[in-house]
Amino acid sequence: DAKTTQPPSMDCAEGRAANLPCNHSTISGNEYVYWYRQIHSQGPQYIIHGLKNNETNEMASLIITEDRKSSTLILPHATLRDTAVYYCIVRVWAATDKLIFGTGTRLQVFP
Amino acid sequence: GAVVSQHPSWVICKSGTSVKIECRSLDFQATTMFWYRQFPKQSLMLMATSNEGSKATYEQGVEKDKFLINHASLTLSTLTVTSAHPEDSSFYICSARARSGGAKLFFGSGTQLSVL
Repeated sequence: DAKTTQPPSMDCAEGRAANLPCNHSTISGNEYVYWYRQIHSQGPQYIIHGLKNNETNEMASLIITEDRKSSTLILPHATLRDTAVYYCIVRVWAATDKLIFGTGTRLQVFP
Repeated sequence: GAVVSQHPSWVICKSGTSVKIECRSLDFQATTMFWYRQFPKQSLMLMATSNEGSKATYEQGVEKDKFLINHASLTLSTLTVTSAHPEDSSFYICSARARSGGAKLFFGSGTQLSVL
């Protein structure tokens, strides 16, 4: 799996958009970008994934640059419940091997 | 969406006893399950990978005789911490990959183990 780099922490005001960056400059053409988050004392939760087109679901939007070397997860209207550690991971679609977590970004949403 | 149920949510045990943690995929068949351990303020650390009907593959440094993993069916995997000691106290998390789900994983809610 390609290596990813994320800032260790970020703050965001409640109601504002939270933009979480991820660098994956060594990503291969068949690797997808996945985002998970872990709220304190819970198991990780899948958020979204994409290959090269921007994606949006009920939780977030994923913006992938044209060269695919970086991406941004956008939480359009952050709430206090979005406070969590966010992990960016790149994987091939059919990957069956182990999923390794990096250190992620600790997002703190404040009132 | 797919649901992975993990039990118990928390357990306290005496040193020297064994503890079993169950991980079930409720609405899909999990061909592969992963077990992670997480210490406070640290990221998840993969312990082992298990495929249904075969022996688990353990990560370097993880004692297979201490952390017994059984993946007897496509919906159930268990992790048994044998002869637990205080240093085994941690948050244990399982995850499962669906047969047709690509690389997306679904995670259990975790088990907090405290060994006295």
